[in-house]
Amino acid sequence: EVQLLASGGGLIQPGGSLRLSCAASGFTFSNYAISWVRQAPGKGLEWVSGISGTGGSTYFADSVKGRFTLSRDNSKNTVYLQMNSLSAEDSAIYYCAKGLGAVPGTKYDYWGQGTLVTVSS
Amino acid sequence: DIQMTQSPSSLSASVGDRVTITCRASQGISSYLAWYQQKPGKVPKLLIHGASTLQSGVPSRFSGSGSGTDFTLTISSLQPVDVAIYYCQKYNSAPLTFGGGTKVEIK
Repeated sequence: EVQLLASGGGLIQPGGSLRLSCAASGFTFSNYAISWVRQAPGKGLEWVSGISGTGGSTYFADSVKGRFTLSRDNSKNTVYLQMNSLSAEDSAIYYCAKGLGAVPGTKYDYWGQGTLVTVSS
Repeated sequence: DIQMTQSPSSLSASVGDRVTITCRASQGISSYLAWYQQKPGKVPKLLIHGASTLQSGVPSRFSGSGSGTDFTLTISSLQPVDVAIYYCQKYNSAPLTFGGGTKVEIK
């Protein structure tokens, strides 16, 4: 059974940093891209970032480019989203999702439950 | 970047009605278009990819069509369990932009 478990969210002050993790199981992890998608309370879905199965390619939304980095450890079946210089606009539930292919430009068939990030003083 | 525009933003229809949601891309994306369903308090679920390919396990009352810039999601006979927000997403290249969503309710 495919499972994705996002963790690492919490309350953080503006300007602070947070690292989210997405631990996966139930599939050959290195064969599939992983993306992060966020959803602010009562708002729509916003794609944030994606990483290829090998970890060799990463992509970011303009809204987070230069502040967020994405990496993966295929030996641990885990993807990491490092978020720096956080602002209130980054407050959202962050979902990780498994791609149907090895590159981020794909559709996403399994989604984790998400982890809530709240940026507030 | 390519923008994705959905219409309407919300709709209310009766059980058994045929429902159509439109998604328009600001530039051509071939058939690299997916539709997701998000029920209240739940994570998004992939319904359709490749503009018209039904994901495994999705009821056949859902269908998708279109290519290039104009796409549609159709529910042939609306059921109470279909109450949700529906999103389109382009995935030909990053950024993988979502449409703004269409909220579907029962009249």
